[in-house]
Parts: sequence; C-alpha cells; structure tokens
Amino acid sequence: AQSVSQHNHHVILSEAASLELGCNYSYGGTVNLFWYVQYPGQHLQLLLKYFSGDPLVKGIKGFEAEFIKSKFSFNLRKPSVQWSDTAEYFCGLTGGGNKLTFGTGTQLKVEL
Amino acid sequence: EAQVTQNPRYLITVTGKKLTVTCSQNMNHEYMSWYRQDPGLGLRQIYYSMNVEVTDKGDVPEGYKVSRKEKRNFPLILESPSPNQTSLYFCASSLSWGGTDTQYFGPGTRLTVL
Repeated sequence: AQSVSQHNHHVILSEAASLELGCNYSYGGTVNLFWYVQYPGQHLQLLLKYFSGDPLVKGIKGFEAEFIKSKFSFNLRKPSVQWSDTAEYFCGLTGGGNKLTFGTGTQLKVEL
Repeated sequence: EAQVTQNPRYLITVTGKKLTVTCSQNMNHEYMSWYRQDPGLGLRQIYYSMNVEVTDKGDVPEGYKVSRKEKRNFPLILESPSPNQTSLYFCASSLSWGGTDTQYFGPGTRLTVL
C-alpha cells in the first residue's frame, strides 16, 4: 500500500520568510510525486510534480521541491513567501496502482 | 474554457434520502475520480474510472456508487446518506492514467447530512 505523511498541519509565517513543508511517503517501487495547492475558496491546482530526471523540480509561483529517494521525501520550498501564498498544500503520490494518494494537508498562513 | 464542473455546490439533506452529485468535464479526459476532504484527514479517494464503463474503488468507497456511461460525466450517488458522509467532495479528471498526469479538480460540493 502507498501512503503519504505531512507532519506540519499548520504553519504560520511572516511575509518574506522562507518556507519548507515536509512530505514523506511510503511505497516500495517507482513513484510519481505531486504538490497541489488549494487557495481559499478555489479549486485544487497543481504546483509541481516529479516523475523522473532532475530531483529538484521547479513549479509555479516560485515553488520548488526536492525528491530525496533515500529519505522517501519530497519537501516543498519557497525562499520568500507572500501573503498570497496563504493556502492549504497537499502532497500526493502515485505508485504502481491507478490512484493518487494524498497526505492530510498543511494549512499555511502568511502574515503581513 | 477547459473545466470540471460539479452540481450542486452546496447540499443539505436528511439521512436516507438518495442523492446524486454530478460531475462533468469538457476536456475529453479518460480518467475521472471522486475525493472527499475532511479536516485532519486530507483528501481521500472514493472511486475512480479509467474510462467509460470502467470503474473501481478507491480508499473509502463504502456508502457510495458511481457510474461512467459517458466519457464526460461521472456522477457520485449516495443511495442512503448518513451523517458521517457530511464532507466536501471533489471530482477530478486527467487526460489518461499514466501516473504522471495532472489532475484537474472541480470546485467542490459541500454536503451536509442531518
């Protein structure tokens, strides 16, 4: 079975602070990893994804994530957050099956 | 505009009264799925469909049914809703299922079962 863990449930940062949201997964085979974001009152949308190649993946709005296979991790980073980054962030995984498994989400609040 | 639509957006109902939440996509996507979002539990997959007439259970299928008679539509059916099905529901679609395809999500349906 595949699973995803997001240990930071709520994160509060000031504008311009750096961000790192943790994501760890459990799956024995090849994985594809995703970060989705849900802004208040909006649809979930893709931030970035990794399925092969360079383990450092760049996404929209200045976000990036690094796949570290030895640590089963895919942490999301941004050097300097903005108030508009306030949202809920979901890490997701596809493995050998036909489904996308999400973590429990991290609620990020950026204060002015 | 390419999109996934869901109806209704909000629904309050009573225990045992059958309901259907519709989902439609206009992108000719093969793969469609339903998720429920609950505080502290994140998004959990209910059912998915690889293509017309091909559906399968996700992680939390109990109490739900789906059908995929047409490529664009993937309704979620609650035959006898119960209060533990109060949740925020999302439909999603992707071009195909290769494991790498981006999922496109609908706006969500907030269901309350009294």
